[in-house]
Amino acid sequence: GAVVSQHPSRVICKSGTSVKIECRSLDFQATTMFWYRQFPKQSLMLMATSNEGSKATYEQGVEKDKFLINHASLTLSTLTVTSAHPEDSSFYICSASPSTRNEQFFGPGTRLTVL
Amino acid sequence: ELKVEQNPLFLSMQEGKNYTIYCNYSTTSDRLYWYRQDPGKSLESLFVLLSNGAVKQEGRLMASLDTKARLSTLHITAAVHDLSATYFCAVVRGGGGADGLTFGKGTHLIIQP
Repeated sequence: GAVVSQHPSRVICKSGTSVKIECRSLDFQATTMFWYRQFPKQSLMLMATSNEGSKATYEQGVEKDKFLINHASLTLSTLTVTSAHPEDSSFYICSASPSTRNEQFFGPGTRLTVL
Repeated sequence: ELKVEQNPLFLSMQEGKNYTIYCNYSTTSDRLYWYRQDPGKSLESLFVLLSNGAVKQEGRLMASLDTKARLSTLHITAAVHDLSATYFCAVVRGGGGADGLTFGKGTHLIIQP
């Protein structure tokens, strides 16, 4: 149990376009999900906390108007990278935690390449 | 601000040897995690440590937590090539379940035959 999926796994887009990434908890409900970003050969950095039914909480330095987060149900959070630029190219990973467990489970990640 | 420091950041070792990765964190936290990441992949959960003195073992890996020293260790016993990966420790910010993780920079481990 406690499986988190992401879609798409890989996306290549042109500069200036918007890209939506979905994160789903498959076998549990998650009122909170998290979005991380990982640049090559670096660690994961928390971007934002996605809260079901309310606004996301963004980390310092993360532009909320550029990275739109929607958590419309207890099993789905979406991250939209608006007007993507090459510097947004990264590995985006979401995580979620079942309320009954002290673990965060990570999705398989989405590799975004902006040309 | 919570800071998490891992060392070493890079480790090359021979099969059969033992080694320890260290993880220090700067402020009180009630949960510490260890993850493994293979190239191009996401994170695989290894251990969750919840209390002072906690020790968990899985195969050749053993993790421990000293909350007073704000230190966790990941010990590798008789390393094998399959353990080559990047290992991250991560600490929960705040005291609740709905808090994101702060990660160390990771330890890139290469185990040579």
